[in-house]
Amino acid sequence: DIQMTQSPSSLSASVGDRVTITCRASQSISVYLNWYQQKPGKAPKLLIYAASSLQSGVPSRFSGSGSGTDFTLTISSLQPEDFATYYCQQSYSTPYSFGQGTKLEIK
Amino acid sequence: QVQLVQSGAEVKKPGASVKVSCKTSGYTFIDYYVHWVRQAPGQGLEWMGWLNPNSGVTDYAQKFQGRVTMTRDTSISTASMELSRLRSDDTAIYYCVRLGRDYDSFDYWGQGTLVTVSS
Repeated sequence: DIQMTQSPSSLSASVGDRVTITCRASQSISVYLNWYQQKPGKAPKLLIYAASSLQSGVPSRFSGSGSGTDFTLTISSLQPEDFATYYCQQSYSTPYSFGQGTKLEIK
Repeated sequence: QVQLVQSGAEVKKPGASVKVSCKTSGYTFIDYYVHWVRQAPGQGLEWMGWLNPNSGVTDYAQKFQGRVTMTRDTSISTASMELSRLRSDDTAIYYCVRLGRDYDSFDYWGQGTLVTVSS
């Protein structure tokens, strides 16, 4: 099974900051890496698929990069609505697995 | 628009079973796999398995083998997930999710169903 490790597990930042979250897979997953945003009491929402493709309707301040085992999610200029928990997920092979999440909090 | 609407919250005793339904609309039900993901209180996301609504074929995470059954009723575009022999650590929100065409990403999620297992 493929293990996904995210870092950091939590992050404090201010509106306007640039933030980066990393995700590492235990083996190569090509670009089969997706990012989700989850707000309290809500279902996760797809932000980025195939490592770097922006899901329709997602603001362009979100971007993703990477391939193989190392991936990043970047938010170029934090907005108030971006404070949430972010998860990476590999869809290379079942069992599909998620990172443990990164909680982004307001500084 | 694509929607996945799940059944309501459940409270069950240990050892019982629960069945969660997921009614889909806004797309052709048999054209997209449905996956199930759960989230224990304050915890991360855990993949449970998938259902091919066209054929009925399923694949389950090893952790749930023997306890989970995923089914569908194509006449009403609804997928269901039944979990048996419930334990307290099965207390979680259960989500049905549509598998999109783009690199197997989860593009649409149900609203979630809270299942509480308590004596």
